[in-house]
Amino acid sequence: EVQLVESGGGWVQPGGSLRLSCAPSGFTFNTYAMHWVRQAPGKGLEFVSSISSNGVTTYYANSVKGRFTISRDNSKNILYLQMGSLRAEDMSVYYCVRDIGGLRWSFAFDYWGQGTLVTVSS
Amino acid sequence: QSALTQPPSASGSPGQSVTISCTGTSSDVGDYNLVSWYQQHPGKAPKLMIYEVSKRPSGVPDRFSGSKSGNTASLTVSGLQAEDEADYYCSSYAGSNSVIFGGGTKLTVL
Repeated sequence: EVQLVESGGGWVQPGGSLRLSCAPSGFTFNTYAMHWVRQAPGKGLEFVSSISSNGVTTYYANSVKGRFTISRDNSKNILYLQMGSLRAEDMSVYYCVRDIGGLRWSFAFDYWGQGTLVTVSS
Repeated sequence: QSALTQPPSASGSPGQSVTISCTGTSSDVGDYNLVSWYQQHPGKAPKLMIYEVSKRPSGVPDRFSGSKSGNTASLTVSGLQAEDEADYYCSSYAGSNSVIFGGGTKLTVL
């Protein structure tokens, strides 16, 4: 059974940093592109960042470019999202998601974690 | 990039069909066959229902179907059931390795 388990969310002051982690299981992690998607309370979904299966290629939404860094450790089966210079508008539930395309980008997300809440407030 | 446009709400009676639209531009929906649809029940993570315009992931009932015409994609739910009541979001690849989502449609089963 495919599972994605996020951790690392919590409360942080504006300007602060936080690192989210995602532990996948039930599939061969290094053969899938992965993404982070967020959802502000009561709002819609927003794409945040993507990383290729081998970790070489990364992409970011304009809203987080230069502040967030996505990475993965295929030897440890873990996905990260390092978030810096956090703003009130970054407050959201952050989901770790798998790309259905496997090695090729499909930008469709077939498995989602339960989400981890990031609260940015003074 | 602006969000894709979805109607805020849609409704239908059990057994009926309902179609939800998702309008983008020639730079996203109109340019790529990479439109997806997600179902989200309250307090739950989204679930992929349709990808690449009209493909259904394993386990998704064939009551759910997707299509696209020009800059508008559509999700049709046939034979509505009570458990179909949820929020539905569309998404599209928008070039430059980015994805945009629609604002969501709340589907009510009357």
